Amino acid sequence: QKEVEQNSGPLSVPEGAIASLNCTYSDRGSQSFFWYRQYSGKSPELIMSIYSNGDKEDGRFTAQLNKASQYVSLLIRDSQPSDSATYLCAVNMDSNYQLIWGAGTKLIIKP
Amino acid sequence: ETGVTQSPTHLIKTRGQQVTLRCSSQSGHNTVSWYQQALGQGPQFIFQYYREEENGRGNFPPRFSGLQFPNYSSELNVNALELDDSALYLCASSPELAGEQYFGPGTRLTVL
Repeated sequence: QKEVEQNSGPLSVPEGAIASLNCTYSDRGSQSFFWYRQYSGKSPELIMSIYSNGDKEDGRFTAQLNKASQYVSLLIRDSQPSDSATYLCAVNMDSNYQLIWGAGTKLIIKP
Repeated sequence: ETGVTQSPTHLIKTRGQQVTLRCSSQSGHNTVSWYQQALGQGPQFIFQYYREEENGRGNFPPRFSGLQFPNYSSELNVNALELDDSALYLCASSPELAGEQYFGPGTRLTVL
């Protein structure tokens, strides 16, 4: 069974602090990893993709990938109340390029 | 550049009816994936179309069917609706099979 696991939260972080979101996946051969943000009642919005081990930074967001440990994380620096949302991790685990999704972590940024 | 669009936005049907949901992919994208998302859950993969051919299917019964047109827009059809089919249906397009997926606004289906 191919799985992507995320802590459902909610994760509460003070405004201005760093929010750290984690995701683990079951298939060691996975190649592509994606973080999406979803506001309540809206569709998922792509934040970042990462394909190689290490860190990838885009503005206040940093994705970290460790294939040996089978986890991917998302750091949000200088958290803002507008970052309050559910963050979904998606992993491409097979050659058909179909994404397997975690259930999401609800993030709450407290002013 | 126009993003992914979906229609209708909301839909109410009764059990046993049939429904067709539509998706227009983003310009330059040839791959469309359909997902079902229940409240509090991550998206569940229904199927994917690449250049008008089905490229894989998730764990959904045959009453869920679809197609992709030459302009890469797509339809999702659901026959014999059941109460559990009530969900947000999401369409995502990508420039290629392995590309990043971009979502439309979704269709909220309610089955009574």
